[in-house]
This record gives sequence, structure tokens and C-alpha cells, in this order.
Amino acid sequence: SQQGEEDPQALSIQEGENATMNCSYKTSINNLQWYRQNSGRGLVHLILIRSNEREKHSGRLRVTLDTSKKSSSLLITASRAADTASYFCATDVGTGNQFYFGTGTSLTVIP
Amino acid sequence: DTEVTQTPKHLVMGMTNKKSLKCEQHMGHRAMYWYKQKAKKPPELMFVYSYEKLSINESVPSRFSPECPNSSLLNLHLHALQPEDSALYLCASSQDRRYSNQPQHFGDGTRLSIL
Repeated sequence: SQQGEEDPQALSIQEGENATMNCSYKTSINNLQWYRQNSGRGLVHLILIRSNEREKHSGRLRVTLDTSKKSSSLLITASRAADTASYFCATDVGTGNQFYFGTGTSLTVIP
Repeated sequence: DTEVTQTPKHLVMGMTNKKSLKCEQHMGHRAMYWYKQKAKKPPELMFVYSYEKLSINESVPSRFSPECPNSSLLNLHLHALQPEDSALYLCASSQDRRYSNQPQHFGDGTRLSIL
């Protein structure tokens, strides 16, 4: 049931650097969402981009969507140690707010 | 603190036990979800409830039995589980699954270990 693939699987950067992670998916979508999961916790919604949008910003987050390539990217600018977490894209397909999550990127931000 | 509360946080049970996981939200959401997440893997959808009715069962074995007694509560009844069922079980809710473009709100999960 897995819809998306993310890369890289793991990313380690210094605090203050930018982090970019990519998501590719297989079928048409209604929207694509990004979630963060801290170790041992539930997922937290970060940002939603609709299928007719190409770019969206929220604070230090920038998301792009290319439906022709079936891909999305999440950019976190000026990273902080608190950004250390796993990041998942989730594609909303079909009818009814039904999500399939990508494989995830594990981000480590070194202070 | 999350707005979706799951209990218990940890559960250890034998393969012959019967136990239940509970999930509660008071955001007025009418869609609720169960996911299973193995270590270092993404969450996998198990069940979806909409207006207290089961909408989706992703071919989950019958040893998992969901229940939605009212719009705020979601249970997952467990019976005769296997060791491979050990995982983090996540509950989520969203406003109304008849409409797209909504985020899901997740609880912190129940970490289940089957002995």
C-alpha cells in the first residue's frame, strides 16, 4: 500500500544548513502532505500542497510539487537541532482523505 | 501535547491474550484512522472510520477488530496476535473524509510487544 519513495533515506547536516528531501509517488493525487515524526512520538502535520499548486511556504519550510514528474521536495532552511526527526510525505489519493506514506527521510541536525 | 490521546502508551501481551487499544479525540472530527508502524518504516493504513462507520479495511487480519462506539472514541481489539504484530499503533483523526485537503492529527501511539 506504500505510495511514495523518499530520498535520501538519511541526511546529516550541521545546524544552520539547509536540508532538502525528495518524494516521488506513483499515481495521481489530490494533494501531498509532509509530516514530521520525532523518535517515539506520533506524526505532526507540517504542510499541505494541493495538486494545482507548485510551491508553498510555511515559516522555514518550502515545498514544491511537480505533478508531471510525480515528485515533491521539502526544504528546511536554517536548520536547528530541534529539526532532528523523520520526515514523511503522504499522498492523498482517490476519494476520502486516504493517505499513503512515503518511505521517510531521517534527518539529523548536528549542533 | 497531542490532541489525540492514545492509551495505553505501552502494552506487552502474550499470543493468547485479549486486549484493547483506545483512542480519543475531542476536536469534533468525524474521520478516525488506525495505522501500524514498524521500526524505521512508514505508517501503514489499517482501518478508516467515517461518521462512526467502517469505511476502509486494508485487508487486515481478523485478529484485529476495530470499533467506533461514538464520534470521539476509537478502539482496536486484539486477540491471538502473532510476534510479527509487534509495532507502534497510531491513531489519527481528520475533520471529515468526504472532503480532501485536510491534515490528519495523530496520537503518540501505543507500542505493542507480543511475547
